[in-house]
Amino acid sequence: NAGVMQNPRHLVRRRGQEARLRCSPMKGHSHVYWYRQLPEEGLKFMVYLQKENIIDESGMPKERFSAEFPKEGPSILRIQQVVRGDSAAYFCASSPGTSPNTGELFFGEGSRLTVL
Amino acid sequence: GENVEQHPSTLSVQEGDSAVIKCTYSDSASNYFPWYKQELGKRPQLIIDIRSNVGEKKDQRIAVTLNKTAKHFSLHITETQPEDSAVYFCASSYGNNRLAFGKGNQVVVIP
Repeated sequence: NAGVMQNPRHLVRRRGQEARLRCSPMKGHSHVYWYRQLPEEGLKFMVYLQKENIIDESGMPKERFSAEFPKEGPSILRIQQVVRGDSAAYFCASSPGTSPNTGELFFGEGSRLTVL
Repeated sequence: GENVEQHPSTLSVQEGDSAVIKCTYSDSASNYFPWYKQELGKRPQLIIDIRSNVGEKKDQRIAVTLNKTAKHFSLHITETQPEDSAVYFCASSYGNNRLAFGKGNQVVVIP
């Protein structure tokens, strides 16, 4: 089992460009979570998805950010018209379908976005 | 939403001593409390967790205690070693299938 796979590991964008971050959950996992980590900060919940459904996006900024988890392929976190404040590490985590009330989240290695 | 706070933000201990990190949470309905360890530039990894039907859980040098009445839980690391140096995040469950994380504690083990 390859674990949660994220790519790219590092991404550099200029202000105004788009960033796309991909996450393939662990095999057999159907729940995906995206968290953002600013330097020396904790993990801030952004969005929780199941296949083809956004379950909770209460942590997502209202503009420029979107996420999807299609029936086939990885989950994608998309940031349009990036600004310097978007520079952060974006972690994806997956779980097998049981809630965090009963099991752990498995994290990927993260995608580190730098906006110039 | 759930609010999770960790104390202290940075903790330095001599190798071999014990380290204790405390977390408080706000949602009385929370019933799952994991601790994650994150080394520099790496992903967070679960090291121990506890559920609300137990007060203490131990795994070798690591233990977690939970006080539901006071809404706090603590991580205890005994006989610390240099490889214990990392950032430790506590979390608590809330809502439907979500975890809220604290800001993390930097633990430095001095050889």
